[in-house]
Amino acid sequence: GAGVSQTPSNKVTEKGKYVELRCDPISGHTALYWYRQSLGQGPEFLIYFQGTGAADDSGLPNDRFFAVRPEGSVSTLKIQRTERGDSAVYLCASSLTAAFSGRTDTQYFGPGTRLTVL
Amino acid sequence: SQQGEEDPQALSIQEGENATMNCSYKTSINNLQWYRQNSGRGLVHLILIRSNEREKHSGRLRVTLDTSKKSSSLLITASRAADTASYFCATDVIQGAQKLVFGQGTRLTINP
Repeated sequence: GAGVSQTPSNKVTEKGKYVELRCDPISGHTALYWYRQSLGQGPEFLIYFQGTGAADDSGLPNDRFFAVRPEGSVSTLKIQRTERGDSAVYLCASSLTAAFSGRTDTQYFGPGTRLTVL
Repeated sequence: SQQGEEDPQALSIQEGENATMNCSYKTSINNLQWYRQNSGRGLVHLILIRSNEREKHSGRLRVTLDTSKKSSSLLITASRAADTASYFCATDVIQGAQKLVFGQGTRLTINP
């Protein structure tokens, strides 16, 4: 029963570069979420997948951010042309399901990837 | 944008004392959850209270919810040094939607 895992744990990149952050959800969880947390703040929602499709991407800040989940399990968050303001901890979470059920399932969080853009 | 506000932003107490943290939110909710975070990394789910519930207990944790005041409180009884962490409330604001909206958190320090 492994929890949510994220790789890498730390990523340092230069302004303008492209980065990919990976999330492995808990086995059997159909819902997957990405959040971003800046220093001293609470996490902010980015995108949510139910299965392979993005059910809600309203939190993505701009078109430099994109996420995929091609097989309904592992997800990759992709950031193009990184900017210093993208520096944050990127958190991934998964939950069993609950789409359209009207009830919220507990979201289980991974340890996060700390992204630093120089 | 953040939905909730935690109060206080920081709290320091002696081991063994009770710690109370408050959360206020702005819009109608389905549920409210409390999470703990150590060292700015992974969040640990503590407790979920549904909008039709008023109080819930889990071990040393007691959560209350007042939907008329749009507020919640988290009480940790008999605090321990290991309770030192940041505590966040999170709400889901639309029926069936899954995204959580977090507050800015309360930084709790338990002094031995």
